[in-house]
Amino acid sequence: AQSVTQPDIHITVSEGASLELRCNYSYGATPYLFWYVQSPGQGLQLLLKYFSGDTLVQGIKGFEAEFKRSQSSFNLRKPSVHWSDAAEYFCALKAAGNKLTFGGGTRVLVKP
Amino acid sequence: AAGVIQSPRHLIKEKRETATLKCYPIPRHDTVYWYQQGPGQDPQFLISFYEKMQSDKGSIPDRFSAQQFSDYHSELNMSSLELGDSALYFCASKDRNEQFFGPGTRLTVL
Repeated sequence: AQSVTQPDIHITVSEGASLELRCNYSYGATPYLFWYVQSPGQGLQLLLKYFSGDTLVQGIKGFEAEFKRSQSSFNLRKPSVHWSDAAEYFCALKAAGNKLTFGGGTRVLVKP
Repeated sequence: AAGVIQSPRHLIKEKRETATLKCYPIPRHDTVYWYQQGPGQDPQFLISFYEKMQSDKGSIPDRFSAQQFSDYHSELNMSSLELGDSALYFCASKDRNEQFFGPGTRLTVL
């Protein structure tokens, strides 16, 4: 069975500092991976996705993620965080049947 | 661009009542997914439909049922509501390998 793990429940980062969110997955085939962002009480917005090809994926809002098959990871990064990046971030994997399996989420707090 | 529409956006019900949540997918998307996100939890897959047929089933309680209609909109019917059903319910429609999420319906059961 597939699973997604986000080891960090909370991360606090200063505005302007870099951010890295970890995501590890378990899946028996080539995964389709996604990062979503959710502001409080809001829906899920897709930041970026990986299907195949270049393992470094660029997304919206200045985010990027790197797929590392050997480490079963798909970590999300942003070089310089803005206060508006405070939100919850979910890593997700598309498994057979196309349903998404989500990680537990990482809540990002941005200090001024 | 058109997005996934969910109605209502907020719903308050009493225990043991019923609720119906509606989802209107992006035009020409024929697949709909329902997810439930409890407070502080990650979204959990409930059920999906493709071309009006149930295509997959997740952790959906027997008290819940859903269907997809000829215009591809979907409804999630919830009966005998329990306090634990309070959650944000998302609908998503699919284009190729990407799911587009609606804003969600926040259900509060009192």
